[in-house]
Amino acid sequence: AQSVTQLDSQVPVFEEAPVELRCNYSSSVSVYLFWYVQYPNQGLQLLLKYLSGSTLVKGINGFEAEFNKSQTSFHLRKPSVHISDTAEYFCAVSDHGIDAGGTSYGKLTFGQGTILTVHP
Amino acid sequence: DTGVSQDPRHKITKRGQNVTFRCDPISEHNRLYWYRQTLGQGPEFLTYFQNEAQLEKSRLLSDRFSAERPKGSFSTLEIQRTEQGDSAMYLCASSLGQLSNQPQHFGDGTRLSIL
Repeated sequence: AQSVTQLDSQVPVFEEAPVELRCNYSSSVSVYLFWYVQYPNQGLQLLLKYLSGSTLVKGINGFEAEFNKSQTSFHLRKPSVHISDTAEYFCAVSDHGIDAGGTSYGKLTFGQGTILTVHP
Repeated sequence: DTGVSQDPRHKITKRGQNVTFRCDPISEHNRLYWYRQTLGQGPEFLTYFQNEAQLEKSRLLSDRFSAERPKGSFSTLEIQRTEQGDSAMYLCASSLGQLSNQPQHFGDGTRLSIL
């Protein structure tokens, strides 16, 4: 079984300051990693994903994340945040579970979420 | 790309009643997932369809829950004899392809409140 731990439940930060949201995962196999953002009363929007290759991945809205296999981490960063970045952020891993049809079905296991609050 | 659509957005019902939610995935997506999100938690996987076949169900999906995707397009999730613990946001997601690395696109969810 896989698990995801987001180390901070809430992160307050001032506008234009840098931010890092931390994510650690546990898995006995290779994983795919994702960061999603959720605004109030809305679904999840994909920010970025790590599948393979370069360990630094860039996403939408100026976010980036670095995959560190030895530390089993996938921390999300942004050099300068805006008020509009206030939201809840979820780290997720893709399960390599095999479905009844013999295909890898990609169940996502999510962390508990980090609420980012950007103050003016 | 009109996105994943879920209906209704909110549902308030009394304990013991049955409820049904609908999800319309992105039109060409063959995979469809249901998740449940309780307050202060990340979403938890419930079930998964590839086309019309339901290929995986979580242990979270008790006998009171049933999901269908009759023609491989829209899906419904029904909860019978609702309980207080069923109060949550129910999220639907869809993706395209055969591999687990394809990103899932989420709808805005149905928020269920049990009185």
